This record gives sequence, C-alpha cells and structure tokens, in this order.
Amino acid sequence: GQQLNQSPQSMFIQEGEDVSMNCTSSSIFNTWLWYKQDPGEGPVLLIALYKAGELTSNGRLTAQFGITRKDSFLNISASIPSDVGIYFCAGQLRTNAGKSTFGDGTTLTVKP
Amino acid sequence: GAVVSQHPSRVICKSGTSVKIECRSLDFQATTMFWYRQFPKQSLMLMATSNEGSKATYEQGVEKDKFLINHASLTLSTLTVTSAHPEDSSFYICSARDSARLGYTFGSGTRLTVV
Repeated sequence: GQQLNQSPQSMFIQEGEDVSMNCTSSSIFNTWLWYKQDPGEGPVLLIALYKAGELTSNGRLTAQFGITRKDSFLNISASIPSDVGIYFCAGQLRTNAGKSTFGDGTTLTVKP
Repeated sequence: GAVVSQHPSRVICKSGTSVKIECRSLDFQATTMFWYRQFPKQSLMLMATSNEGSKATYEQGVEKDKFLINHASLTLSTLTVTSAHPEDSSFYICSARDSARLGYTFGSGTRLTVV
C-alpha cells in the first residue's frame, strides 16, 4: 500500500520561531490533509488540500499541495506554547473510498 | 458542527472478555465511518471501514471475527473487541465525514487496557 514519509520526526523550538514539516509519498494522492493530535485525544483537522499547487492558510498555519501530488508541507509561523502536539499528514485517493493514509507524525515541542 | 462522540474514553477489561466501543456522529449522518488503531508514539493505522447497513470492510491483517463492527444506523458505529488480550491494548479512534464539510472528523478516542 501507499506510504507517507513525514519529517522531521520531532522538533524542539523556541516560542516565536517558525516551523516547517513535510510529507512525501512514492505515489500520488488526490487530497492532502494535516491534523494535530493532543495527548489522549483524536486528531483535529487543520488544513485540507484538494488541488495540486494549492496553498492554503488557516491563521498562522500554511500548507501546500505539491505540484507532483506526491508531497505537501505545513508551516507554522510565530509558534506559541499551545502549538505543542503531534502533527500528522494524511493522503487520500479519490478511488480509495475516503480512506486516509497517515504519516508517522511530527512531535512539536515549543519552549516558552 | 461535525462532532463525533466516542465512548467510552477509557476502559480496562480482563483478558478474555469483550469490549464495545461506540462512535456517534452527533449533528450529521455518516454512511461511512472509519476505525483506526494507534499504538504509543505511532501513527494511526486504519483497521476497517464501517458501512451503514452492510458489512464492514477490513484492512489486510485485521481479524474480522476479533474486531466486530456494526453500523446499524446513520449516526452510530460500534467496534467490539472480542476475547481481548493484552496485545489488544491500544488507542482506538473512529472518524466520520460530514458531506457538507471538508475532511474527516475524529472522535476523541478510546484507551483500551487489557489486563
């Protein structure tokens, strides 16, 4: 099956710094999704991307759907302590009945 | 809107017993729900697709007789872990899609501990 490579695995940054993480795949996806998961909770959707080249923002978050449809990145600007958590990318194929393939996650730690 | 409620949030059971986990879409109807399993510090692994009014579709390697899924209504899917063993201890999460919204909404998860 399809696999996603998400990097970096973890990040330790200072409050106020910008963050960038990305996902790559060996095959294409029709949809890229970015989620955040807090400990003991289910993932919460941050941004959904549906078109190659699409650049979408949600507050301090910006994500892009790669032109090749095999990658996506998520940027967080001016990080704050509540940005701490695990960020997952997920890819979907239109032909795969809505199933999502998840990356392994990026654990973000923000030092005040 | 698009709230998915999962219950219970935590459950501890004895080895050999069965546990039922409920996933409800509170303000929308979901013909399809998904069940995931997540081990500590790992990603979400899709277990099965729950289809309202028909049999669930299981991913390769997931035992359908061990993880029973029932999707009897447009707002409720249940996952029953039968004859649970310690290795079934995990975080189980469901998700559903409101057709009027983008992406999928996840439940808050169920932490299952089998002792």
